[in-house]
Amino acid sequence: AQSVTQLGSHVSVSEGALVLLRCNYSSSVPPYLFWYVQYPNQGLQLLLKYTSAATLVKGINDFEAEFKKSETSFHLTKPSAHMSDAAEYFCAVSPRGLTFGKGITLSVRP
Amino acid sequence: NAGVTQTPKFQVLKTGQSMTLQCAQDMNHNSMYWYRQDPGMGLRLIYYSASEGTTDKGEVPNGYNVSRLNKREFSLRLESAAPSQTSVYFCASSEFRTAYEQYFGPGTRLTVT
Repeated sequence: AQSVTQLGSHVSVSEGALVLLRCNYSSSVPPYLFWYVQYPNQGLQLLLKYTSAATLVKGINDFEAEFKKSETSFHLTKPSAHMSDAAEYFCAVSPRGLTFGKGITLSVRP
Repeated sequence: NAGVTQTPKFQVLKTGQSMTLQCAQDMNHNSMYWYRQDPGMGLRLIYYSASEGTTDKGEVPNGYNVSRLNKREFSLRLESAAPSQTSVYFCASSEFRTAYEQYFGPGTRLTVT
């Protein structure tokens, strides 16, 4: 079985501040992990993915995530938030298809 | 290269009416999926097709049927729409079901009154 937990439904940061979105997973086999972003009224777009190579994964728009097996975590970070980062973010785990977390809405204050 | 396309973008149905949501991909992917997205629930898998000629139930299949028409196209049918099926529906595709990232269409916003 596989599952994802994204704690909290909403995160608010100031423009220029660090973004940290948390994701914990459960998987009975070595996982593949993904972060997706959804802008208002759009489909989901892949931000980055972990597929058992480097544990620190870099994605688009300066986002990165680190796979920590001991903590079963795959948290998403960005050093400096931009207004355009306001969106909903989903963590997902594979390999048995994709199981999504419930999503976190990121707001960016001017 | 359009990726994953869905039609229609918006639809309003009355309870009991039927309709088919269409999805097509041009990436030569083997696997295709239908999800529904509801506030606070994330994405829930309705049906998937791991390869052409196969379909399987996902987490919330009741009230839906699917057809994998060919490698490119995967349709979702609501035979008798209910207000509980008001949702945003996303189609996705991936090279294979196991371990690969999925590519999503723009979604269909369905309201059942």
